[in-house]
Amino acid sequence: DSGVTQTPKHLITATGQRVTLRCSPRSGDLSVYWYQQSLDQGLQFLIQYYNGEERAKGNILERFSAQQFPDLHSELNLSSLELGDSALYFCASSFGTGFGNTIYFGEGSWLTVV
Amino acid sequence: AQRVTQPEKLLSVFKGAPVELKCNYSYSGSPELFWYVQYSRQRLQLLLRHISRESIKGFTADLNKGETSFHLKKPFAQEEDSAMYYCALSGGSNYKLTFGKGTLLTVNP
Repeated sequence: DSGVTQTPKHLITATGQRVTLRCSPRSGDLSVYWYQQSLDQGLQFLIQYYNGEERAKGNILERFSAQQFPDLHSELNLSSLELGDSALYFCASSFGTGFGNTIYFGEGSWLTVV
Repeated sequence: AQRVTQPEKLLSVFKGAPVELKCNYSYSGSPELFWYVQYSRQRLQLLLRHISRESIKGFTADLNKGETSFHLKKPFAQEEDSAMYYCALSGGSNYKLTFGKGTLLTVNP
C-alpha cells in the first residue's frame, strides 16, 4: 500500500457526462500529480499541484480541470466526456518537488465512457 | 524537452535467463532516472532510482550519461518478474515524471 488513496476505483459513464475523481495523498505529502494511462498513449502527465497551487501542466485537455484543497486532497474533473477519455487515471504524491523526492502512485481510477 | 525511449514494447525470456530492458533518455540538464513496475494494470511501484544505486528484487540499473541510458538488468529472470516496466525521468523545478512507453516483460517457465 503506497498510502495514496483514489476513489472511485471503477466508473462507467455515458458520453457527454461529467465525473470527478478524488485523490488523498500520502500523509505529509504536499505535491499531487495526475496521470492518464491509455493503451495508445501510455502514461501521460496531466497536472501537478503543490500545497494548493498549480505547479505544472502537461497534456491536459481544456475539458479537464483539477484542484488541490487546503487539506491537500485533490480532485480531477472530467467534463463533456468522450469515448477516448476511457482510461486509467492515476494520482501520485510526493513530499516536495525537488531532486531526491520519491513519487508514490495510487491504485488508479478506471474510467469507462460508453 | 524531456523524452524517454524504451525501444522494446515486448520482451520474452525464459526463467533463469538474463534480462535487460533498455531505456534511453533525452534531457539537457541533470535528470533523475527511475524504473517503475506495474503488475496487471495495478498501481505503479517504484523499483529503482539511479541516485540510490541499490538492487531491488535482483534488478540493477546504471546511469550512463555518455550514452544517455539507464538500462535495467537482472542476471536470472523469475516468472514473478513478468510485468510492465516503465523507465521515467524527472528534471527541472517541478519534478514531474516523464515516462517511456513501457516494456512488457514475460518470463516463461
